[in-house]
Amino acid sequence: AQKITQTQPGMFVQEKEAVTLDCTYDTSDQSYGLFWYKQPSSGEMIFLIYQGSYDEQNATEGRYSLNFQKARKSANLVISASQLGDSAMYFCAMREAAAAGNKLTFGGGTRVLVKP
Amino acid sequence: EPEVTQTPSHQVTQMGQEVILRCVPISNHLYFYWYRQILGQKVEFLVSFYNNEISEKSEIFDDQFSVERPDGSNFTLKIRSTKLEDSAMYFCASKGAYNSPLHFGNGTRLTVT
Repeated sequence: AQKITQTQPGMFVQEKEAVTLDCTYDTSDQSYGLFWYKQPSSGEMIFLIYQGSYDEQNATEGRYSLNFQKARKSANLVISASQLGDSAMYFCAMREAAAAGNKLTFGGGTRVLVKP
Repeated sequence: EPEVTQTPSHQVTQMGQEVILRCVPISNHLYFYWYRQILGQKVEFLVSFYNNEISEKSEIFDDQFSVERPDGSNFTLKIRSTKLEDSAMYFCASKGAYNSPLHFGNGTRLTVT
């Protein structure tokens, strides 16, 4: 079974509008962390936001917020007021406490294209 | 802001040749990783390194692969005999603490011909 599932391979969003990128995860650990990364066309991986499984409040970082629904095992990224520079690939990732090496497991990504 | 640096940015090699991809993690970080991304595909874990030894490796990380931290600052990935299917972007990453996010380098694009 996939540990991280991103069901939207690609999406368009109008500039200045909000967009929600879906991420569901599968783990039996009680302690885990969820991360979102942005990968522009230049290729680098940029950390955006983190949510711990025990955090009671949804994480926010500027225009990024994470809609964490623990019972549904979802950790959707919301980008508000989209900008042209938000056009990129976005990856959801999970770190499980029991995972040896403390590694991140990534989803397949969602490509976002912001239209002017 | 400190960053992870990787060299070279692009490496072209012939099948069967050995390559060494180099990384300088952020100086006070303790956990080191290599990931790869075949063009257009997901980011795949290769290996994690902590306390001067491999802490986990994936099934991709077979006997052709090895890692080293030779001098306390560099962290290298060696592919002993490259195959066409090794063509990918290879990312080095590091972090300072257990709950910290991974900081990625800009990657080395490896092309095996």
